[in-house]
Amino acid sequence: QQQVKQSPQSLIVQKGGISIINCAYENTAFDYFPWYQQFPGKGPALLIAIRPDVSEKKEGRFTISFNKSAKQFSLHIMDSQPGDSATYFCAAPNNAGNMLTFGGGTRLMVKP
Amino acid sequence: EPEVTQTPSHQVTQMGQEVILRCVPISNHLYFYWYRQILGQKVEFLVSFYNNEISEKSEIFDDQFSVERPDGSNFTLKIRSTKLEDSAMYFCASSPGPLNNEQFFGPGTRLTVL
Repeated sequence: QQQVKQSPQSLIVQKGGISIINCAYENTAFDYFPWYQQFPGKGPALLIAIRPDVSEKKEGRFTISFNKSAKQFSLHIMDSQPGDSATYFCAAPNNAGNMLTFGGGTRLMVKP
Repeated sequence: EPEVTQTPSHQVTQMGQEVILRCVPISNHLYFYWYRQILGQKVEFLVSFYNNEISEKSEIFDDQFSVERPDGSNFTLKIRSTKLEDSAMYFCASSPGPLNNEQFFGPGTRLTVL
């Protein structure tokens, strides 16, 4: 069974700062690692995902860095904005590629 | 923009009762999922469903749970005899392809078991 460890549990960042959230996973033969963003009272929504034939993927202010040998990946939010305040979940697939295991979540607060 | 819908938004039931949570996935999607999230905790996978059968299920998804796609549009989760610990948000998700495709989540059903 896949285990995903996410840190920190909560994060407070000033507007304009960089938010960094880390995840570590166990073995998987299926390479797909998404990050989901969840606002209160809403379902999770895909923010960005990486297929690690590359070590980094950038979409706007959001970047995933992936370290396959360490089995770790991280989300960087550049120029963090108050509207980014939400809970962020990383996820990793099982070996069969038919289920996602989510990390414990990081509650991000961006102060104006 | 197409979206996953779920009904009801909130369900209150007595312990031991059966509940059915309903989902309408995005119409051209082929893969369907149920997740649950206990208040303030992480999202937990329950089951994935493809081609009219379960493709994977977690340890949480025991004999009390079942899923069905009774027609071309609905996808349901049934809990036969609810327990207090089943109280959670239940999210349905769908995707057009297998795991490396984006999963679109519905708004959730809040289940409260008294």
